[in-house]
Amino acid sequence: DTAVSQTPKYLVTQMGNDKSIKCEQNLGHDTMYWYKQDSKKFLKIMFSYNNKELIINETVPNRFSPKSPDKAHLNLHINSLELGDSAVYFCASSSGFGIYGYTFGSGTRLTVV
Amino acid sequence: GENVEQHPSTLSVQEGDSAVIKCTYSDSASNYFPWYKQELGKRPQLIIDIRSNVGEKKDQRIAVTLNKTAKHFSLHITETQPEDSAVYFCAAGVGADGLTFGKGTHLIIQP
Repeated sequence: DTAVSQTPKYLVTQMGNDKSIKCEQNLGHDTMYWYKQDSKKFLKIMFSYNNKELIINETVPNRFSPKSPDKAHLNLHINSLELGDSAVYFCASSSGFGIYGYTFGSGTRLTVV
Repeated sequence: GENVEQHPSTLSVQEGDSAVIKCTYSDSASNYFPWYKQELGKRPQLIIDIRSNVGEKKDQRIAVTLNKTAKHFSLHITETQPEDSAVYFCAAGVGADGLTFGKGTHLIIQP
């Protein structure tokens, strides 16, 4: 009964490949996010979705494309992977068109070789 | 957009002493200020939060203070224990814009 779940937990892939990370929340939250945590532990927001609508799209290469089929799911597709994409990607969700109850998923460690 | 500064980047204290981590933010519209603890290899977990209409909040050994005029907020941990060792993040935000995080403080509890 994990509140925010991500798959896969680990992802090792070669440069140039395309990969997807899936996120699902069972908290009934209406806002979901993707964060990137680099090797220095800095957490930076990438995208924010509210009720399947894109709210925030920070300066992220257009190789990254989020998709929200419904408000419980927010997937992240990455095209043409680069070495610099290696990081831990965290999904999160919150309620009330806001940031209350902000809960993180367990993270996906992406390694591009 | 919001900018959050966090200090210090590393803090080493003796077990049983207190630890204080400080953050400043730039956007006066921010109204939510949570603190997260992240242990090695795990997800950030909320430990305490404060909203803009409150100046101080306490939960057992952890307290947070907020000064909206000066745009800064602090985390106080008293009677530190070995299990308090982790990276701590402050954050600030409003609405569905999401949270902007500080760069983290590596707290080390010396036995």
